[in-house]
Amino acid sequence: AQSVSQHNHHVILSEAASLELGCNYSYGGTVNLFWYVQYPGQHLQLLLKYFSGDPLVKGIKGFEAEFIKSKFSFNLRKPSVQWSDTAEYFCAVNEKGGYQKVTFGTGTKLQVIP
Amino acid sequence: EAQVTQNPRYLITVTGKKLTVTCSQNMNHEYMSWYRQDPGLGLRQIYYSMNVEVTDKGDVPEGYKVSRKEKRNFPLILESPSPNQTSLYFCASRLSWTGGPDTQYFGPGTRLTVL
Repeated sequence: AQSVSQHNHHVILSEAASLELGCNYSYGGTVNLFWYVQYPGQHLQLLLKYFSGDPLVKGIKGFEAEFIKSKFSFNLRKPSVQWSDTAEYFCAVNEKGGYQKVTFGTGTKLQVIP
Repeated sequence: EAQVTQNPRYLITVTGKKLTVTCSQNMNHEYMSWYRQDPGLGLRQIYYSMNVEVTDKGDVPEGYKVSRKEKRNFPLILESPSPNQTSLYFCASRLSWTGGPDTQYFGPGTRLTVL
């Protein structure tokens, strides 16, 4: 069964600091990868996704993620965070083909201090 | 506007009182799913539906029922709610259940408290 690990549960950064949130998955086959963001009191919104091609994926609001197949990782990065990036971030994976069950990580809460 | 809607958004109920949370999508999506979100546990799938009249259990189906009589609707039913079902519930839909890279769209969430 596939699983997703997000090792950072709570991250606190000052504005303008660089961000990297870790995501590792376990699955032997080919996968699609996602990062979702949930702002306080809101529903999940897609930040970026990787299906194929260039392993460096750019998303909305200056976020990017790099798929490293050999490390089973899909880390989320942003060079300079803003207070408005305070939110919870979820990594998710689904296997290509078949039913495509989506498995979510446990989430990372990011708090950006002005 | 393409969207997934859920009702109610907030609900406080008592143990054993049957309730239904509705979910509707206007994108003609085949696949719909229910998740619950709990602190420290992320999102866990309760049930999913690949199309009309086709449903199956996710990771945490105990205490829940679903039905898919129409493509656009996917209600979540709690026949006899218990306090451990206090959670934030999200409905989601996706164009298809198999093949092709498509994205899940999430509803706004339903915060349920069972006393």
